[in-house]
Amino acid sequence: AQSVTQLGSHVSVSEGALVLLRCNYSSSVPPYLFWYVQYPNQGLQLLLKYTTGATLVKGINGFEAEFKKSETSFHLTKPSAHMSDAAEYFCAVSGTGAQKLVFGQGTRLTINP
Amino acid sequence: DAGVIQSPRHEVTEMGQEVTLRCKPISGHNSLFWYRQTMMRGLELLIYFNNNVPIDDSGMPEDRFSAKMPNASFSTLKIQPSEPRDSAVYFCASTGGLMRETQYFGPGTRLLVL
Repeated sequence: AQSVTQLGSHVSVSEGALVLLRCNYSSSVPPYLFWYVQYPNQGLQLLLKYTTGATLVKGINGFEAEFKKSETSFHLTKPSAHMSDAAEYFCAVSGTGAQKLVFGQGTRLTINP
Repeated sequence: DAGVIQSPRHEVTEMGQEVTLRCKPISGHNSLFWYRQTMMRGLELLIYFNNNVPIDDSGMPEDRFSAKMPNASFSTLKIQPSEPRDSAVYFCASTGGLMRETQYFGPGTRLLVL
């Protein structure tokens, strides 16, 4: 079975500052890990994913995440926040080769001018 | 590609009425997922299909909810009778092919049951 914990339901940063959104997972099998972004009144859009191979994965809009097996973490970062990054971000996990995704509760990111 | 298409985008109905939500997956995708999103419970998987066959419906809340996938390009989620606690945003997602682990979401249907 899989589960996801996102630390912090709300994160606020200044424009230009580092963005760090935390995600810890639990999985009984090697995991596939995902970050999705949801803008107001829209569906979820894939930011990036880890399946196998390189543990540092780069996604769209300058975001990246690192899979750390020893820490069971998959934190999302962006060096410099932009106003357009304001959205809700979801971390999700599935088992290797499985299709069923388990989502975290989401983190709402606010960017202060 | 047009992406996952959902209709209607908004639905307002009265308690006791039947509600039907529709989804057209991305062409060539063979798996389809229905989710419900609420403030209290977050994103919940209701049911998913592989090759038009329901695989896991353990998330369907009760018998008032039913889902069908009569062919590879169409699915419905029906609530009968609807209740105010069914008010939520309902998303459809599809996946398949070489990127079968990645789910592509539709824009959602915002349902309000009065």
